[in-house]
Amino acid sequence: NAGVTQTPKFQVLKTGQSMTLQCAQDMNHNSMYWYRQDPGMGLRLIYYSASEGTTDKGEVPNGYNVSRLNKREFSLRLESAAPSQTSVYFCASSDVTRGYEQYFGPGTRLTVT
Amino acid sequence: GIQVEQSPPDLILQEGANSTLRCNFSDSVNNLQWFHQNPWGQLINLFYIPSGTKQNGRLSATTVATERYSLLYISSSQTTDSGVYFCAFRAGGTSYGKLTFGQGTILTVHP
Repeated sequence: NAGVTQTPKFQVLKTGQSMTLQCAQDMNHNSMYWYRQDPGMGLRLIYYSASEGTTDKGEVPNGYNVSRLNKREFSLRLESAAPSQTSVYFCASSDVTRGYEQYFGPGTRLTVT
Repeated sequence: GIQVEQSPPDLILQEGANSTLRCNFSDSVNNLQWFHQNPWGQLINLFYIPSGTKQNGRLSATTVATERYSLLYISSSQTTDSGVYFCAFRAGGTSYGKLTFGQGTILTVHP
């Protein structure tokens, strides 16, 4: 099992450019999450998807959109990147059958200049 | 709102020393997890521990839900234990596993 995978690992964007971060899990989990981590801070929830076909805002959703493509995949889109979105982005998944214990991907380091 | 406080914020140890990290949370707990973020940024699951005590090698954790805190014990620390330790908490009544993270404890273990 690969667990949770994310692509790309690194990305540099110019202000105003758009991009999509991809996430996939092979653990048959129902719920998936996107977090961002800024220097010296814990993770903050951007969006989550309780199950296929549903998405909801988390703590810091402004400037982002998400798509739950199917049970395995959950993407995060930046439509018009801003320097304030420079961060490390983590995807995670969990399932009620395991008490919602979350498992994290390796992260994407994004720099917006 | 829901709050998670970790202490100490920084900890420096010599190899072989023991340490205790603390996590206080503001509400009744459904889920509490401890993570280690290694120097490469990877988040590693250490414990899923909404209550009780668990042990895994040199690490153990205890959550006292009624008093709203959790402790992570590291014994005989090694340089590979260095990194940031996060606790993350899901409050009772919070749906779909949404976790709130603490600010982390930065652990440095010197040889």
